[in-house]
Amino acid sequence: DVVMTQSPLSLPVTLGQPASISCKSSQSLVYSDGNTYLNWFQQRPGQSPRRLIYKVSNRDSGVPDRFSGSGSGSDFTLKISRVEAEDVGIYYCMQATHWPRTFGQGTKVEIK
Amino acid sequence: QVQLQQWGAGLLKPSETLSLTCAVYGAFSGFSWTWVRQPPGKGLEWLGEIDRSGSTNYNPSLKSRVTISVDTSKNELSLKLSSVTAADTAVYYCARGDILVVPAARSGGMDVWGQGTTVIVSS
Repeated sequence: DVVMTQSPLSLPVTLGQPASISCKSSQSLVYSDGNTYLNWFQQRPGQSPRRLIYKVSNRDSGVPDRFSGSGSGSDFTLKISRVEAEDVGIYYCMQATHWPRTFGQGTKVEIK
Repeated sequence: QVQLQQWGAGLLKPSETLSLTCAVYGAFSGFSWTWVRQPPGKGLEWLGEIDRSGSTNYNPSLKSRVTISVDTSKNELSLKLSSVTAADTAVYYCARGDILVVPAARSGGMDVWGQGTTVIVSS
């Protein structure tokens, strides 16, 4: 299985400040079609996960532009340019290139 | 806008079979469909995926205990997990998988999620 390793696992952030989450995979996530199927999800307390970013850097509909994804191969980053109170929750990366699909351990974002 | 509504038994005894159903309101064919679970206080675990034709991929960690099926006449997908133990206690989610009919539009899936069903395994 492809192991997804996120860091940090806990991220206290001051409102209005940036935040960055790293996700590294144990294998390249480049698929045979040339695409990289690395997605990011947000899970607010008590809610179902919500997809924020697909294929590394594409924001889903309705996702604020303060969220951005970047990276390539096996090294990826989710950035929040200015953290707002509604961004509190756990963020997961997930790879959909290899079977079985695997998630990172999750990064808990909280307000200082 | 696609919506997923799921239901099933919430309390099981060890060795019983977990059975959950997820109804899809909106486009069903042309996509794969996925089950994911989350043990209390832990992260997300992908359980498996099925497409409209019934072709499946499962997480090997569940060995032969998991079965995912679809009823295309009802736009429903189902999850069965046999011989449950306390380790199977979790919130179970159905989610839309990837688009299949337009390969160029693949995104990795899981853009739409059900509300989750809590399943507790206890004697």
